[in-house]
This record gives sequence, C-alpha cells and structure tokens, in this order.
Amino acid sequence: GAGVSQSPSNKVTEKGKDVELRCDPISGHTALYWYRQSLGQGLEFLIYFQGNSAPDKSGLPSDRFSAERTGGSVSTLTIQRTQQEDSAVYLCASSRETQETQYFGPGTRLLVL
Amino acid sequence: GESVGLHLPTLSVQEGDNSIINCAYSNSASDYFIWYKQESGKGPQFIIDIRSNMDKRQGQRVTVLLNKTVKHLSLQIAATQPGDSAVYFCAETNDYKLSFGAGTTVTVRA
Repeated sequence: GAGVSQSPSNKVTEKGKDVELRCDPISGHTALYWYRQSLGQGLEFLIYFQGNSAPDKSGLPSDRFSAERTGGSVSTLTIQRTQQEDSAVYLCASSRETQETQYFGPGTRLLVL
Repeated sequence: GESVGLHLPTLSVQEGDNSIINCAYSNSASDYFIWYKQESGKGPQFIIDIRSNMDKRQGQRVTVLLNKTVKHLSLQIAATQPGDSAVYFCAETNDYKLSFGAGTTVTVRA
C-alpha cells in the first residue's frame, strides 16, 4: 500500500518568507507526527496529532512554527518568517494508533537562504 | 562481568559478514524500542521493534537484543549486503514521542 508522502520534496526559500510543508499519512492512521532532522544532529520531535487535535506541541521551536491537521488525514506544517537556522529535513510519520509503530515519509528538505 | 557494546558512529563491514550495531538509551521508563534504517536522501525506514517485556526478537536477517539492566539495545544483521549500507538509528519511547540515538553509518565493503 501507499506509504507516507510529503511535499514538496525540496524547498528553497529566502529568509523572512513563509513556507508550508504537507504530509499525507498512511490511510487509516489516526496518529501523525512531525520531526526535524538537522545536519549533524539527530531527529527531534516537533508535534503530534491524534485525529485533528494536537495534544503535544512541546517540540515546536518557536511561535513561528505551527501545524494543523484536517479531516483526520492531511497535515500542514507552516513556518513563518523563516530563518537560516530553520534549514533542515522535516519528516512526517504516521501510526495506526498512538504508541504503535511510526512509519516515516521521505521528508522535505528545506533550505533558507 | 557483562560488557556493554560501545556505540560507534561508523561501522565498516565486509560483505557477507555479520554486523552488530549498538545503542545505549537514556530513559529507564522507555518500553518500546525501534531500529530504523536511513539511506541518503530518504526518510527513516522501519526495520524491527521490540517491547520491554522481551529481550530478543528476530526478523528476516535481523535480530534486536534488549538489555534493560544496562539500557542497551543492539541490532544484528546477518550476511551483510551492499544494500545494507545506510545510517541506522535506534529510537526509544514510553508514549508517542520517539527519542533517537545519534546514528551509526554502516558501510559495506565488497
């Protein structure tokens, strides 16, 4: 079956611009997660959705970062007024239920110039 | 005494040999552990998982060992193949938030 998909696969933007990253989870998966992978660092948790609600936003680095999920499916991660330190790979994962195996998408590689 | 495998950031292995990748985890409350494989330009790919009520689990060519006493996890790959070249991450959780290790880059020599 289809896995987690993300778009765009690559995004180059200028400092100060807003960007939107999209995630399509595996069909039927109720839980969705965003992580960030910076060069030379491991993956860090950003936010978790159960259905359309986000009970844990603790990993979002600043108030420039926000995310939403609609219809219990697609999620969008928005970064406002991008900074160079936002450059990273943004990974989305989904699981059938919370605390089950998380399956990752291919990621969006964001470069802020 | 029991030895704990050292985590190495890189591992070079001859094709056909067995590989052992080690990971020390930090949270004694973690009850679910996963190994992921990440190839260049791709997202992490699930390999195998284990829950804290087990100490060993086998898959196809892979075995995960869990030692809760010393908070150590290992991944064994049998008969390593060129396609096994990648970065391998261990992850731990006791809820939904995965905490990842630093990763080990495995290079398979022909």
